[in-house]
Amino acid sequence: DTEVTQTPKHLVMGMTNKKSLKCEQHMGHRAMYWYKQKAKKPPELMFVYSYEKLSINESVPSRFSPECPNSSLLNLHLHALQPEDSALYLCASSQLVRDNEQFFGPGTRLTVL
Amino acid sequence: GENVEQHPSTLSVQEGDSAVIKCTYSDSASNYFPWYKQELGKGPQLIIDIRSNVGEKKDQRIAVTLNKTAKHFSLHITETQPEDSAVYFCAASITGNQFYFGTGTSLTVIP
Repeated sequence: DTEVTQTPKHLVMGMTNKKSLKCEQHMGHRAMYWYKQKAKKPPELMFVYSYEKLSINESVPSRFSPECPNSSLLNLHLHALQPEDSALYLCASSQLVRDNEQFFGPGTRLTVL
Repeated sequence: GENVEQHPSTLSVQEGDSAVIKCTYSDSASNYFPWYKQELGKGPQLIIDIRSNVGEKKDQRIAVTLNKTAKHFSLHITETQPEDSAVYFCAASITGNQFYFGTGTSLTVIP
């Protein structure tokens, strides 16, 4: 299984809502990532988890809260988002060895009204 | 931090022709350079990568070259096909898991 799955595919939420994005992989990868991608732009790294511990936070606003409950799952909790947070949110995973391919999921298309 | 520039931003080629996309990077410590293809509605997929101890790598119709002295690397696609139409991103990495992406090239292959 070389797949990263993400749910939901699409999400529309208001600025006062709380929602969560989910990501799952069963490749035994111990590094997992959240990226944000705006239209016609490259992915921007948000968070990196290594061995289920947060290792990189790219100065992301606290309205985004990541969680890694186990080695296969990665969540992104959303609260009090702004319309400019509307984007494609991509999850990726990789082996924890140097210079290794990151496998990306299909993403969650988020719209904040 | 690392800065990756990518050109051109759009590229149209006739089916069967070659396509070349170029990237430059700023940090000489970067040592891993993957190329990703992103089709509409999908996440990026790795198509080829190269490490700093290698100058060129080829996989069927796709090749990547790296010039460490000049700090640039290029993607070459030969005998292009309509299914090669997508957005291509180059990236550079220093640590191995923190990728700095180029701005992307939208490739259109005209049948």
